[in-house]
Amino acid sequence: SAVISQKPSRDICQRGTSLTIQCQVDSQVTMMFWYRQQPGQSLTLIATANQGSEATYESGFVIDKFPISRPNLTFSTLTVSNMSPEDSSIYLCSVEGGFGLSYEQYFGPGTRLTVT
Amino acid sequence: GEDVEQSLFLSVREGDSSVINCTYTDSSSTYLYWYKQEPGAGLQLLTYIFSNMDMKQDQRLTVLLNKKDKHLSLRIADTQTGDSAIYFCAPAGGRALTFGSGTRLQVQP
Repeated sequence: SAVISQKPSRDICQRGTSLTIQCQVDSQVTMMFWYRQQPGQSLTLIATANQGSEATYESGFVIDKFPISRPNLTFSTLTVSNMSPEDSSIYLCSVEGGFGLSYEQYFGPGTRLTVT
Repeated sequence: GEDVEQSLFLSVREGDSSVINCTYTDSSSTYLYWYKQEPGAGLQLLTYIFSNMDMKQDQRLTVLLNKKDKHLSLRIADTQTGDSAIYFCAPAGGRALTFGSGTRLQVQP
């Protein structure tokens, strides 16, 4: 399976500021995804990060609030813009293994964001 | 969109079997995954089953799929205290996953 790292692992930010989260994979992968896990909740898909083109956002998530970059096949960033306390969550990136016939998704360790 | 439901909590004694259930609505789900999340940790892929299978066994884990009823279960044999965690089922119709609410498994020593 791929080894995925995220930076930062956690942060405390002030309302109105922005934070960029980095996701690095140790091998080239086709599909990368960003998820949000609000406190005590399940995971919700924010967007699919496409290499060389704009990200594909899920309903309820917009590019102005969550801009995503995917400059190559091993790296992606998610920015949480103009933050409010409601953005306090764990943000996780995942990659699709794509080995063989299956499409397992592996997750990074997550970035725990607290907005005050 | 897909709806995925799980019971919120399960408590078992160490050494017993645990069965975690999941129902989903999207009959086109091709792969169905089980993830484990320990406190303060990320998600660990435990196992998965293809939609054309009824059962898959992987050491202490057994996955059962009833495609007709859209019901998925995860059985953990000889449950240990280290199995205490939240377990998520996640069907995938396309490439993205839809997660259930998670079942918190508590293992009593």
